[in-house]
Amino acid sequence: ETGVTQSPTHLIKTRGQQVTLRCSSQSGHNTVSWYQQALGQGPQFIFQYYREEENGRGNFPPRFSGLQFPNYSSELNVNALELDDSALYLCASSDGQRRSYNSPLHFGNGTRLTVT
Amino acid sequence: QKEVEQDPGPLSVPEGAIVSLNCTYSNSAFQYFMWYRQYSRKGPELLMYTYSSGNKEDGRFTAQVDKSSKYISLFIRDSQPSDSATYLCAMSGGGNTGKLIFGQGTTLQVKP
Repeated sequence: ETGVTQSPTHLIKTRGQQVTLRCSSQSGHNTVSWYQQALGQGPQFIFQYYREEENGRGNFPPRFSGLQFPNYSSELNVNALELDDSALYLCASSDGQRRSYNSPLHFGNGTRLTVT
Repeated sequence: QKEVEQDPGPLSVPEGAIVSLNCTYSNSAFQYFMWYRQYSRKGPELLMYTYSSGNKEDGRFTAQVDKSSKYISLFIRDSQPSDSATYLCAMSGGGNTGKLIFGQGTTLQVKP
């Protein structure tokens, strides 16, 4: 069974730039969620995708956007990067269904983004 | 006030000790409760997953949920140096978003 994989592992960007982070779901999982984890904090929910549609969103501005592809892989895009966007970005997959949450999330090792 | 409160520690114990990690929460709609372990430079790894109140045991780990007190615990028996990590509690009300609310995480160090 292949786990959740994320790329790249580390990234350095300049304020104002745009970034794309990638995630491959654990095999058999059709739901992908993205989380932001600041240093010393717990992860914060950005959004979830199910069957290529956004299925829930946390308190993040529209410059955070995403995509899910037919093979259930996913991208997180962040435009107009700010210094506070520096964090570990985690992707998690689950075998969820749209109307219920009964499957735990399995996380990748994340992408460490530094904005200078 | 945060929805989920967790003492960040750090917590330092000798090898073989029993460790108790706790979280409190304010949202009575939470029904699903999880504990994740996160090693440095790694993603969170699911340890325990429980629904509603009660206890669940898996090897050296026991999770307890007391919904009446809005309090959850994770106990680690016979702690090992390999248990040194950050432990995150997480919870959800279910529904269709898959959104988990995490605590801040407690850093645990088990000394040989």
